[in-house]
Amino acid sequence: DGGITQSPKYLFRKEGQNVTLSCEQNLNHDAMYWYRQDPGQGLRLIYYSQIVNDFQKGDIAEGYSVSREKKESFPLTVTSAQKNPTAFYLCASSIRAAEAFFGQGTRLTVV
Amino acid sequence: AQSVTQLDSQVPVFEEAPVELRCNYSSSVSVYLFWYVQYPNQGLQLLLKYLSGSTLVKGINGFEAEFNKSQTSFHLRKPSVHISDTAEYFCAVSGTGANNLFFGTGTRLTVIP
Repeated sequence: DGGITQSPKYLFRKEGQNVTLSCEQNLNHDAMYWYRQDPGQGLRLIYYSQIVNDFQKGDIAEGYSVSREKKESFPLTVTSAQKNPTAFYLCASSIRAAEAFFGQGTRLTVV
Repeated sequence: AQSVTQLDSQVPVFEEAPVELRCNYSSSVSVYLFWYVQYPNQGLQLLLKYLSGSTLVKGINGFEAEFNKSQTSFHLRKPSVHISDTAEYFCAVSGTGANNLFFGTGTRLTVIP
């Protein structure tokens, strides 16, 4: 079955650590996105990529980094510079912006 | 740029009653419009989309939405809700030539038995 796989589902981070969230898709979509979801704030765009080896900052990119070395993969690193990383992170892919398909999300908690 | 406003953060409704979730957008260009549903601790699932053509769009689970260009609205409706419709609903917009989706802040629909 085609789809988007995010891992892990739950992730715990200590203060000062970097962590990487995985996102893999086998839909052959060019575009991939990372969103952060906080209660009452909807989805906010962190980074997006339209093509391999290229990506752009979204509205809240500070404290995050990404790479797009393969079409299928778009990992997100939450760095120690992100002061409030506890949130639900969603990865999506699309053929341009006609329709986005979402993964099941990763819940990150700082301990 | 585009933006979306979902006026109601929470909508309680009794089972088998009708419901309307409101969505207004702003854009200086032609748009695509979407409604997504999210169940707890899960990703978003597409309910329906408007790309072009008929302004009345039918989606999954008995939902429908009407694109109203003059009022810049895309309200979601269902004539009779079920307990299983309890979830969070997001409206989203993109420009037809754009590379990104803009989401509203969501409406939590609670169906009361």
